[in-house]
Amino acid sequence: NAGVTQTPKFRILKIGQSMTLQCTQDMNHNYMYWYRQDPGMGLKLIYYSVGAGITDKGEVPNGYNVSRSTTEDFPLRLELAAPSQTSVYFCATRRGGSYNEQFFGPGTRLTVL
Amino acid sequence: EDQVTQSPEALRLQEGESSSLNCSYTVSGLRGLFWYRQDPGKGPEFLFTLYSAGEEKEKERLKATLTKKESFLHITAPKPEDSATYLCAVQADAGGSEKLVFGKGTKLTVNP
Repeated sequence: NAGVTQTPKFRILKIGQSMTLQCTQDMNHNYMYWYRQDPGMGLKLIYYSVGAGITDKGEVPNGYNVSRSTTEDFPLRLELAAPSQTSVYFCATRRGGSYNEQFFGPGTRLTVL
Repeated sequence: EDQVTQSPEALRLQEGESSSLNCSYTVSGLRGLFWYRQDPGKGPEFLFTLYSAGEEKEKERLKATLTKKESFLHITAPKPEDSATYLCAVQADAGGSEKLVFGKGTKLTVNP
């Protein structure tokens, strides 16, 4: 039982390049989330999904896109990377219903130069 | 606007020296308050959920309490392995919002 896995662990992008951050969970949780964590700041919600085929914007969605075709996978797409997207990205899941705690993956550290 | 403020930003303790971390919050109806532990280079690890004022939860050397305006994470006789950043987050009970508002965290260092 791996929980929440994220790939890659680290990535350096040039300005204008695109990439997809992968997130996979084996907990059969309906809810999935993408956060970014900047140094000295709290985690900010980018996008979330309440189930396969359903996604919604969070607090800071600009410059990102998501899709949710299966329960297990919730990839985050960066188009036209910018230095402001340099951050650590975390994927999280939640069972749903009255179980509110979110479980986080190990993170992807992204640098845009 | 929902807000979470954690204090202090950093705390250094000697092993065995008990203390408390504070999380003050402003939210339009509290659905839940969450405490997480984050080790360097890792994702946050869930510790506690508190739902209503007066509630308390314990786990080993940690005890979380909740009032209508703040939460405390009490650490009793800490050990070096308790060194980490502790994050507080709140979820508002507003229209099925899925948004968690996180504080910036308190970095705890416990010296042997």
